[in-house]
Amino acid sequence: KNQVEQSPQSLIILEGKNCTLQCNYTVSPFSNLRWYKQDTGRGPVSLTIMTFSENTKSNGRYTATLDADTKQSSLHITASQLSDSASYICVVIDDGGNQFYFGTGTSLTVIP
Amino acid sequence: DVKVTQSSRYLVKRTGEKVFLECVQDMDHENMFWYRQDPGLGLRLIYFSYDVKMKEKGDIPEGYSVSREKKERFSLILESASTNQTSMYLCASSFSRVPDAAGLIRNEQFFGPGTRLTVL
Repeated sequence: KNQVEQSPQSLIILEGKNCTLQCNYTVSPFSNLRWYKQDTGRGPVSLTIMTFSENTKSNGRYTATLDADTKQSSLHITASQLSDSASYICVVIDDGGNQFYFGTGTSLTVIP
Repeated sequence: DVKVTQSSRYLVKRTGEKVFLECVQDMDHENMFWYRQDPGLGLRLIYFSYDVKMKEKGDIPEGYSVSREKKERFSLILESASTNQTSMYLCASSFSRVPDAAGLIRNEQFFGPGTRLTVL
């Protein structure tokens, strides 16, 4: 059973609009949660890293939130750009820091 | 900047061929990983290594082997390629799995660009 579930699977939005991607997990206890961006045909690149005690982390137009009580995280993208078109992957790391649990990703397409 | 490079971006092989995928990192990282990525399945760990000449099986090691003769290089080997090994292969590295002097585990994984392997 996948311990990290992401929704939606895919999303299409207009350029300039905001969007929110969801990540629900069952990994417990955990040490940190990460969001990666993966452009088509490329390797994932880290966007944000949050420890279990953090609630929010921003990286430019990307803002990640974490609710450890409900085991949910979200990635909010503000004023989307065409270059935001990519797959976004949520990763939860266990409390030992060495077991990584990957979500299957959300494919985002930004259209002009 | 951490740089993880993979020997090929695209590779086409025939069933039964022996395939070598090379990964090199330039940041003196202790840990290296090989994943495959398939639509709807996400990243799945094949093998990993925490030190030179050391290897551990991941979640899906069948049909694969690895070699880590030098700290910076981690090779994935398909002894006899099969069509179900057609996939995107991603290599990653991270600094360490043990806490540093400040008590932090610097385990952020840095990924290479990937190798798209097609087995005919």
